[in-house]
Formats: sequence, structure tokens, C-alpha cells
Amino acid sequence: GAGVSQTPSNKVTEKGKYVELRCDPISGHTALYWYRQSLGQGPEFLIYFQGTGAADDSGLPNDRFFAVRPEGSVSTLKIQRTERGDSAVYLCASSFTLTSGSTDTQYFGPGTRLTVL
Amino acid sequence: GIQVEQSPPDLILQEGANSTLRCNFSDSVNNLQWFHQNPWGQLINLFYIPSGTKQNGRLSATTVATERYSLLYISSSQTTDSGVYFCAVLIRNQFYFGTGTSLTVIP
Repeated sequence: GAGVSQTPSNKVTEKGKYVELRCDPISGHTALYWYRQSLGQGPEFLIYFQGTGAADDSGLPNDRFFAVRPEGSVSTLKIQRTERGDSAVYLCASSFTLTSGSTDTQYFGPGTRLTVL
Repeated sequence: GIQVEQSPPDLILQEGANSTLRCNFSDSVNNLQWFHQNPWGQLINLFYIPSGTKQNGRLSATTVATERYSLLYISSSQTTDSGVYFCAVLIRNQFYFGTGTSLTVIP
């Protein structure tokens, strides 16, 4: 597609449930990032994929959070035993990787607004 | 830890006015981007500018990497410029966002 897409756009769940959030990056982008944005704050890094592998998952808050990118394209962020504090907008971004190894311009999806009741 | 500070936190402008937004960062960066988050929450890339100066229409940005700051200039502001402006820096595979500048342009 033309841009990064994320589904669903909104997700309401109950405390303790499991949720999956999906990100479709721009075709050909090797780098993929997940962020979480709480109200009034800037996005907070969660995890970074280079191809199929998680190059840096140090931003995941705890072991209830997990993400995969099995074919190096679509990624799924999985949250187990959701808590009210997980409520936020979850953002995905993708980019090319430069020959230097650094990341080129990031392009963001519209986000998934997660509400845990 | 890594710090990315933006100033001012809030800004109200009359339509047609100019403004300068600042981003200070605490470490050497591989990448720096400026974003505009519109009222619907979409983050829109404005500039990829790890160093130097770039211009795009009414917007321009300058990054002085050796002094660890970047500036975003908005000239002849319009009501559609309203929203939150973020800078984000890439340090060792992680992007760190500033706390943003909330801009309101009034007609």
C-alpha cells in the first residue's frame, strides 16, 4: 500500500484479556518500529525489527508484551493479560535501512487506540 | 539517560506570524526527524535532518549536531499548522521523542 496501515483502529477490551495489534509497513521497508503513546506525551519506543528479527526489544515494558514479524513484512504486537495501564495509542513506523546501518526517514501509521476496561 | 527536550511546551500564534521551535538532545545522534501530529493523531514526517539545513515551503529546519540541538522554523503560520510538533532522535537503534510543542494558530 501507499502508507503504513494498522488494524484495528480502535480496540476495547476487558482487563485480563489477550489482544493482537497488526501493522502493515510500506512495501520494501526493512525496519519496523512499535511505539506506545499516552495522552499528552510523545511516543515511547517499544521494539525495533530489522527484517524478521527483533534487533532491540528493550522498550517492551514487561513479559506480557511480545511482537513478531515472521516474514519480514507484517508485524503483530501481542499483549497478554491486559491491564488498565496498557490503555494508549500503539503506533507503528517503518523505514528503509541505510547502507551505513542507520535508519532512514520513519513513516508512521495512524495507530491503534487500545482501551482496557 | 537520554534526554530530548523541546521548547516552548505551548505556543499560541496569530495567523501569519513566524515561530521557532527548539529541540535539545543529550547524546550524539545518527538520525533526527521532526514530526507534526495533527488533531487526529497522525504523525506526519516534516524533515529528516541529522545535520545541516533543509527547507520545505514555509517550513525549514536546522540541526547543529556538534552542539546537540535542532530548530524548526515556521513562517507565515496558518491555522492548519496547529497541532503538536515532535522531534525524535535515533541513538543506538532506539528513537527517543521529545515531549512536544503544542502549537495553536488562531485566525
